[in-house]
Amino acid sequence: DAKTTQPPSMDCAEGRAANLPCNHSTISGNEYVYWYRQIHSQGPQYIIHGLKNNETNEMASLIITEDRKSSTLILPHATLRDTAVYYCIVRVEGGSYIPTFGRGTSLIVHP
Amino acid sequence: NAGVTQTPKFQVLKTGQSMTLQCAQDMNHEYMSWYRQDPGMGLRLIHYSVGAGITDQGEVPNGYNVSRSTTEDFPLRLLSAAPSQTSVYFCASSPLGGEAFFGQGTRLTVV
Repeated sequence: DAKTTQPPSMDCAEGRAANLPCNHSTISGNEYVYWYRQIHSQGPQYIIHGLKNNETNEMASLIITEDRKSSTLILPHATLRDTAVYYCIVRVEGGSYIPTFGRGTSLIVHP
Repeated sequence: NAGVTQTPKFQVLKTGQSMTLQCAQDMNHEYMSWYRQDPGMGLRLIHYSVGAGITDQGEVPNGYNVSRSTTEDFPLRLLSAAPSQTSVYFCASSPLGGEAFFGQGTRLTVV
């Protein structure tokens, strides 16, 4: 799986959009970008994933650049409950897969 | 749906004691895995399984044993607990080609 690079920490004001970047410059054509988050002391939670098109669900939006070397997770209206560590992972869709995690980005949403 | 259930939630062991952390999933997922998370660190993979009867080592397997006799259960055994195994342990399951679901963790202290 391709490696990812994320900033160690970010902060955001409540109600504003939180934009979390991820660099995955060695991504292969058949690798997807997955995002998880881990709220303090809880197990990680799946957020969203995509291949090359932008994706949106009830939690977030995922913007992947045309060359697929980077992506941005967008929380459109961040709340205090979005304070968490966010992990960006790339993986081949299908087949045997056990996720491995880096350090992620610690997002703090402040009032 | 219960999802991924870990027991116990908290445990204190004395050095040298043995114990088993339980993990059960009711989603009929093929893949299951165990991670440990130390303060300020990401999740590190201990052992994983791609199906009943099949297990393999992850990044940090020493001091831990696993077995997978059924699809639903994936227990993690500590044979002789050491203070270095003080950590939060997470179990996860995932279907073929799908996202991972995590349990709420077991907080283990070895004194």
